[in-house]
Amino acid sequence: QVQLVESGGGLVKPGGSLRLSCAASGFTFSDYYMSWIRQAPGKGLEWVSSISSSGSSIYYADSVKGRFTISRDNAKNSLYLQMNSLRAEDTAVYYCVRGPDTAVADFRYWGQGTLVTVSS
Amino acid sequence: QSVLTQPPSASGTPGQRVTISCSGSSSNIGGNYVYWYQQLPGTAPQLLIFRNNQRPSGVPDRFSGSKSGTSASLAISGLRSEDEADYYCAVWDDSLSGPVFGGGTKLTVL
Repeated sequence: QVQLVESGGGLVKPGGSLRLSCAASGFTFSDYYMSWIRQAPGKGLEWVSSISSSGSSIYYADSVKGRFTISRDNAKNSLYLQMNSLRAEDTAVYYCVRGPDTAVADFRYWGQGTLVTVSS
Repeated sequence: QSVLTQPPSASGTPGQRVTISCSGSSSNIGGNYVYWYQQLPGTAPQLLIFRNNQRPSGVPDRFSGSKSGTSASLAISGLRSEDEADYYCAVWDDSLSGPVFGGGTKLTVL
């Protein structure tokens, strides 16, 4: 069965950096686009970034462009999110999600999420 | 403010039918498939409806989706206590070149 397990969340000061990881299993990781979606406490869902199966195409939400970097290692079945210049408004649960494969909002498999708290 | 507009709350009694609306524009709902997600308390979201009105395996047929023009709706019939959750619509936005979510609707079963 598909499993996505995030790690790397925690407390960081404004302006600091954090790297999230997602370990994937139960499917051929290198065949699928992968994404990060976040949810601020008590708020709705916000798409953050997506990366193509090969890593050659990358997309970011305007709110994180220039500060966050998505990457993947298909040999390790892993997805990453490097977050720099963190702000209080980046505080959220970050979900690793499989998809979308095309220009759709089809996110069928989600991890359990990892909490990032940006506070002094 | 979300690109897609949902009512913040909805409610119904067991057995009732409730609908949740999702309003967008020509750059998103008007030209692309709508998806619905259910988020039970303390858990990750899960796909409920795909391609406007299709149910993944395992989703009861009490849940149905529809789309007309730049709006979409999720209907839940035979409401049950376990349906109490947050519901989100989502769609690709051609102008933003990315997926967008509605603000979410908290469903309460009275």
